[in-house]
Amino acid sequence: GQNIDQPTEMTATEGAIVQINCTYQTSGFNGLFWYQQHAGEAPTFLSYNVLDVLEEKGRFSSFLSRSKGYSYLLLKELQMKDSASYLCAVSGVDSSYKLIFGSGTRLLVRP
Amino acid sequence: DGGITQSPKYLFRKEGQNVTLSCEQNLNHDAMYWYRQDPGQGLRLIYYSQIVNDFQKGDIAEGYSVSREKKESFPLTVTSAQKNPTAFYLCASTPPRDRTNEKLFFGSGTQLSVL
Repeated sequence: GQNIDQPTEMTATEGAIVQINCTYQTSGFNGLFWYQQHAGEAPTFLSYNVLDVLEEKGRFSSFLSRSKGYSYLLLKELQMKDSASYLCAVSGVDSSYKLIFGSGTRLLVRP
Repeated sequence: DGGITQSPKYLFRKEGQNVTLSCEQNLNHDAMYWYRQDPGQGLRLIYYSQIVNDFQKGDIAEGYSVSREKKESFPLTVTSAQKNPTAFYLCASTPPRDRTNEKLFFGSGTQLSVL
């Protein structure tokens, strides 16, 4: 079966750095996505990793290790608006179009 | 502006009733998807369609049905056989298959509740 694991909840302080981990075991892999989702809203795209590199985009960075089945999302200089759920998703499962999502990590940023 | 439109935003279903959630896109995307999200959970795939007149079951298709008669439209029917339909439903699409651009474009979602 397919398995994507993320921590359920994390708490961090405004201005700090937080790392959200994602491990996966899937039958097939093209790449790994990170999405941000605020309550009651649709997910918004953050990053897409295909190779084992660190992708940096402003305050957010994402890293992938295909050999270890592991990714992380790094958020720097945390702001209150970063309080949201962060979803890890794998593409290419069973050689299909579909994305398989993890359960998401709820991040709470405190003042 | 191009995008995905879901309607309605909120929907209430009575016991034994079928309801249909609308999803329309003007992005000229080939593939479309329906996901279900329960509180505090990730997204689970209900159905997906790669081309017109073709669709595949996802991981939780029981109690749901879809059609894909037009490229732009992928409606989801929640049937009376779905005993626990209360959830947030998200429609999404992806561009023609391109390994550098596989990201999902999402609609704004429909919250379905049972009366």
